[in-house]
Amino acid sequence: AQSVSQHNHHVILSEAASLELGCNYSYGGTVNLFWYVQYPGQHLQLLLKYFSGDPLVKGIKGFEAEFIKSKFSFNLRKPSVQWSDTAEYFCAVNAQEDSSYKLIFGSGTRLLVRP
Amino acid sequence: GAVVSQHPSRVICKSGTSVKIECRSLDFQATTMFWYRQFPKKSLMLMATSNEGSKATYEQGVEKDKFLINHASLTLSTLTVTSAHPEDSSFYICSALGLAAYNEQFFGPGTRLTVL
Repeated sequence: AQSVSQHNHHVILSEAASLELGCNYSYGGTVNLFWYVQYPGQHLQLLLKYFSGDPLVKGIKGFEAEFIKSKFSFNLRKPSVQWSDTAEYFCAVNAQEDSSYKLIFGSGTRLLVRP
Repeated sequence: GAVVSQHPSRVICKSGTSVKIECRSLDFQATTMFWYRQFPKKSLMLMATSNEGSKATYEQGVEKDKFLINHASLTLSTLTVTSAHPEDSSFYICSALGLAAYNEQFFGPGTRLTVL
């Protein structure tokens, strides 16, 4: 069975600090990987996704993530955070051979960016 | 971008009553919709996969007789919580898989259910 681990439950940063949120998954096959963001009071939005190809994926709002297959990781990064990045971030995975396309989510990381 | 709506956004009901939550894809057709439950400070837990015109597929541990799902059209799926109890209080979120957006789910804003 697939599972997703996000080790940082809460992260507090000052504006302009660099961000890296960890995501590890457990699955032996080929996966699709996603990062979603949930701003306060809003619905989940897709930040970026990886299906294949270049393991360094660039998303919206200056975010990027790197897929390291040997480490089963898909960490999210941003070189300089802004106050508006305060939100909850979820890593998610699905198996490429799973035709149901269902997602397994990590437990989420709450990011607070102080002005 | 693709928009998914949910109605109602909040509902409070008495124990023993049933509550219906609607999930609509507003500007695209969705053969598959998903229903999640989000507990406070927890992640999203997939409850079921809803396919248009067929029975929903429920995840292990989810009572299909309690959480009735109907996906009658390509733009509408409904979740009915039957005989609701306080432990059913939660945040319910739906998502829709676009026909043209391979493997990307678009999420609704969620419905906060409180059972008294």
